[in-house]
Amino acid sequence: ILNVEQSPQSLHVQEGDSTNFTCSFPSSNFYALHWYRWETAKSPEALFVMTLNGDEKKKGRISATLNTKEGYSYLYIKGSQPEDSATYLCAFSTDSWGKLQFGAGTQVVVTP
Amino acid sequence: DAGVTQSPTHLIKTRGQQVTLRCSPKSGHDTVSWYQQALGQGPQFIFQYYEEEERQRGNFPDRFSGHQFPNYSSELNVNALLLGDSALYLCASSLFEGGNTGELFFGEGSRLTVL
Repeated sequence: ILNVEQSPQSLHVQEGDSTNFTCSFPSSNFYALHWYRWETAKSPEALFVMTLNGDEKKKGRISATLNTKEGYSYLYIKGSQPEDSATYLCAFSTDSWGKLQFGAGTQVVVTP
Repeated sequence: DAGVTQSPTHLIKTRGQQVTLRCSPKSGHDTVSWYQQALGQGPQFIFQYYEEEERQRGNFPDRFSGHQFPNYSSELNVNALLLGDSALYLCASSLFEGGNTGELFFGEGSRLTVL
């Protein structure tokens, strides 16, 4: 993998259901993996910055895992709520200066 | 505490014109990065400014230039606009501390339309 790839491109979730989606990134020269949530008409908001292989982070009902050896990260949303509707972006960096290479995002729509 | 602010929010230009976009970073942040997001794509890194100098640059032509001021605010300039420059331009600020940059804080973006 040469670029950051996110799948699926979009998904629809019923309120209360749990869901997860994937970010794949180059496994060489890894420094950090970022997740951002981007709600319509707002600015992207950081969820997690992960640097260690096997790292797991959690914020409320949202959690993420990281596998740097195989180059993937999962984002999980437990008990989805309508306010979770957003585009979730992952981004990969190869150095400490924070130049990020973004995926195209996964658009999540949670319906009541 | 004001977050990242960008201006203008929307603007329309014609091909060949020049545009300047402005960004004020989050209070206490010293690094500003600019990203371009075209329709259907993720944000693409344009360049990053730290201590008033361009520290890193993405794969963008020299028509894209920038500046950082002593108060850490920044400008993005695009000359000789092309139709393909139509996009959302995002500014992100961060703090370079302990040899590391943490999460980015983004503005809401400047939507540029080139006709």
